[in-house]
Amino acid sequence: KAGVTQTPRYLIKTRGQQVTLSCSPISGHRSVSWYQQTPGQGLQFLFEYFSETQRNKGNFPGRFSGRQFSNSRSEMNVSTLELGDSALYLCASSTELRDGYTFGSGTRLTVV
Amino acid sequence: AQTVTQSQPEMSVQEAETVTLSCTYDTSESNYYLFWYKQPPSRQMILVIRQEAYKQQNATENRFSVNFQKAAKSFSLKISDSQLGDTAMYFCAFMKNPGNEKLTFGTGTRLTIIP
Repeated sequence: KAGVTQTPRYLIKTRGQQVTLSCSPISGHRSVSWYQQTPGQGLQFLFEYFSETQRNKGNFPGRFSGRQFSNSRSEMNVSTLELGDSALYLCASSTELRDGYTFGSGTRLTVV
Repeated sequence: AQTVTQSQPEMSVQEAETVTLSCTYDTSESNYYLFWYKQPPSRQMILVIRQEAYKQQNATENRFSVNFQKAAKSFSLKISDSQLGDTAMYFCAFMKNPGNEKLTFGTGTRLTIIP
């Protein structure tokens, strides 16, 4: 079956702009999580959605937001981009058991 | 809060040899999951192996096995008969069970398999 699909793969944005990243989970998976990966901070949890509800949120500013649709697809949005938002953004999905996550290949965001 | 420590930033080993990657963690939880993920240059995080804390038996997946020492809070990964395709970043991760949806990752170990 198809894996976790993230689009786009690469993105270049200018400081101050906003960006939306998309994630399609594995069919049947209702939990979707987002992580930010940077060389300096490593992998950090952004938020998790389950059945269209945000259930957990990491320690990120309000500029980072997300949502989940009824088909479990998820989007994350970053407004007023800063240079420090340059990172690999990874999406992961899981069944309702939440006993392990399958990751996508990520979206590489560069803010210039 | 949970923390995960990987003390080996980089390792290298000859093809076909065995290598062990170290991971320690700190938690007050009694029930949790531990994972090893592999991230090759393709960037996708691939689940290598999973261990449930209440299970005393060490998990094994083909050439990959773990040494889980709950009292010592240690969770090392052993790769046997290493192959060139094993070259990647390896991350150890922790997740509470049940009810917590967040993975806490270590800083990773860059493993290079030398032909």
